[in-house]
Amino acid sequence: GAVVSQHPSRVICKSGTSVKIECRSLDFQATTMFWYRQFPKQSLMLMATSNEGSKATYEQGVEKDKFLINHASLTLSTLTVTSAHPEDSSFYICSARAAGGLGNEQFFGPGTRLTVL
Amino acid sequence: GQNIDQPTEMTATEGAIVQINCTYQTSGFNGLFWYQQHAGEAPTFLSYNVLDGLEEKGRFSSFLSRSKGYSYLLLKELQMKDSASYLCAAPYSSASKIIFGSGTRLSIRP
Repeated sequence: GAVVSQHPSRVICKSGTSVKIECRSLDFQATTMFWYRQFPKQSLMLMATSNEGSKATYEQGVEKDKFLINHASLTLSTLTVTSAHPEDSSFYICSARAAGGLGNEQFFGPGTRLTVL
Repeated sequence: GQNIDQPTEMTATEGAIVQINCTYQTSGFNGLFWYQQHAGEAPTFLSYNVLDGLEEKGRFSSFLSRSKGYSYLLLKELQMKDSASYLCAAPYSSASKIIFGSGTRLSIRP
């Protein structure tokens, strides 16, 4: 149980285009989903926290107009990188927290590798 | 503020034992996580400690001392597949966020 999927797993796009990444909890309802970014040889950095049906909360330094997050249902959250640039190339990972789960345990998706040319 | 420190890199020999330390400072305490992350993959859950002491799960054990703000992950009978980054992480805030340490890259040599 507690499986989280992400789609796509890899995406290559041209500079200036927008990219949408989906995060789904497959066998549980996720009250909260989190989006992280990870640059090579660095740790995960939280970008935003998303609760179903409400606006996402962004961490300091993360542009909310550039990284659009939609949490339309208890099993789906999307991250759209708008007008992507090469510096946005990174590994994007989502996680989901189940209602009543173990402490604050989060279940991670497999990640999406974004390369912006 | 929130702060988590762990060594950047460690090397160990196949079949041996290695201990990865983590010190943390968080406002409020809601447990401590350890995750394993292989290159290019998402983190996978290893352990979650809330109470002081050692918790053992097969070859992996995790220890916590809340008074010292200290934890360690102990890996026994190391295998080549254990080469990965090990992330110490702590929840914070009422929003159930998790802050991650920088991770310890563990290399196993034959």
